[in-house]
Amino acid sequence: GQNIDQPTEMTATEGAIVQINCTYQTSGFNGLFWYQQHAGEAPTFLSYNVLDGLEEKGRFSSFLSRSKGYSYLLLKELQMKDSASYLCALWGTGNTPLVFGKGTRLSVIA
Amino acid sequence: DGGITQSPKYLFRKEGQNVTLSCEQNLNHDAMYWYRQDPGQGLRLIYYSQIVNDFQKGDIAEGYSVSREKKESFPLTVTSAQKNPTAFYLCASSTLTPTEGYTFGSGTRLTVV
Repeated sequence: GQNIDQPTEMTATEGAIVQINCTYQTSGFNGLFWYQQHAGEAPTFLSYNVLDGLEEKGRFSSFLSRSKGYSYLLLKELQMKDSASYLCALWGTGNTPLVFGKGTRLSVIA
Repeated sequence: DGGITQSPKYLFRKEGQNVTLSCEQNLNHDAMYWYRQDPGQGLRLIYYSQIVNDFQKGDIAEGYSVSREKKESFPLTVTSAQKNPTAFYLCASSTLTPTEGYTFGSGTRLTVV
């Protein structure tokens, strides 16, 4: 099976940088996803990491280290609209469905 | 525009009644999924299907049933056997190798009273 851990809640200030961590235990996987979910809405795709390293996409970046069982999502120049839950998800081996962590609820304050 | 549609957005049912949640996609995706989301629990997989007329149980399939008679449609029935059916239900679709992730519907919030 797969076990995914994320902090439950985080708070950060508008304009700042925040890092949301995701650690996992798994015997093997294809890649790791990050999703954003505003309250009561559907999750939306942010990033997909297959190889170790940093993937940058505008204000959002995602990092993966397979050897350390660790990923993080980095949000820069925080805006109030970034207040949402951020979900880490593993795509296991083969064509198995994504397994989601419980999500990190981020609150951006003025 | 291609997308995935869930209906209804809100649903109220009396305890003991079966209820069917609709999910339709026009993205030509082979795979479709149903997840349940409870506060503090993240998304948990109920059922998924990767081909018409075939589907597999997820981690919490008890009390639920599905069908996949058409590629575009993957309805979920919440039966009276499901002990705690009140939840937010999310349908998603993807290619068989989802390197671009899943596309989610807007969800159905089911309340059983």
